[in-house]
Amino acid sequence: QSALTQPASVSGSAGQSTTISCSGSSSDVGGYDFVSWYQQHPGKAPKLVIYDVSNRPSGVSSRFSGSKSGNTASLTISGLQAEDEADYYCISYSSTNSLWVFGGGTKLTVL
Amino acid sequence: QLQLQESAPGLVKPSEALSLTCTVSGGSISSSPYYWGWFRQPPGKGLEWVATISYRGSTYYNPSLHSRITISIDPSNNHFSLRLNSVTAADTAVYYCARNLRYHYDFWGQGALVTVSS
Repeated sequence: QSALTQPASVSGSAGQSTTISCSGSSSDVGGYDFVSWYQQHPGKAPKLVIYDVSNRPSGVSSRFSGSKSGNTASLTISGLQAEDEADYYCISYSSTNSLWVFGGGTKLTVL
Repeated sequence: QLQLQESAPGLVKPSEALSLTCTVSGGSISSSPYYWGWFRQPPGKGLEWVATISYRGSTYYNPSLHSRITISIDPSNNHFSLRLNSVTAADTAVYYCARNLRYHYDFWGQGALVTVSS
């Protein structure tokens, strides 16, 4: 069982927007602005798409954005494209004895 | 461009030890402020953090695996390694190495599948 809670799946039509949530606690998501999001296509390595809650690495599309409210972080993907179909994971720094905590992953389907 | 490449045995027998190495190219493993980590992903399941080591050699372990794992760094060969003792079928996974920069992992290796089976 993952420390952070993500929906198992979300879907959206091409061109629309979708949001993936990541719920934790005050020991991780709520206590620090160190949430990052990773995109993983089947058989591929994870790719960083958002770090420190809302920052985009160089080269990542501006269609990806992140935010946080309380103990819940969110990843929003606007203008959905077929290539966005993948699994998405959130990771947070944690003040518990496990330095990094993960969400269980969300499968995004683009309709 | 920084690249990370995992080396792993592929197949390990139950109760034996598993050793993995991540070779870093395009940058120095000793550079501040980078840390270096291992993750794993059982077939069809989610990602799990295994261990992280700093450029100075400070270590951090997943509590659920702590008793069985050791992470180390070798600046002379620009690589870092993971040893997992007493493996079982539950340790079958794709193992990834990655670079940590200030609380996020920005570069990842392609992953190496390790199967535990007799």
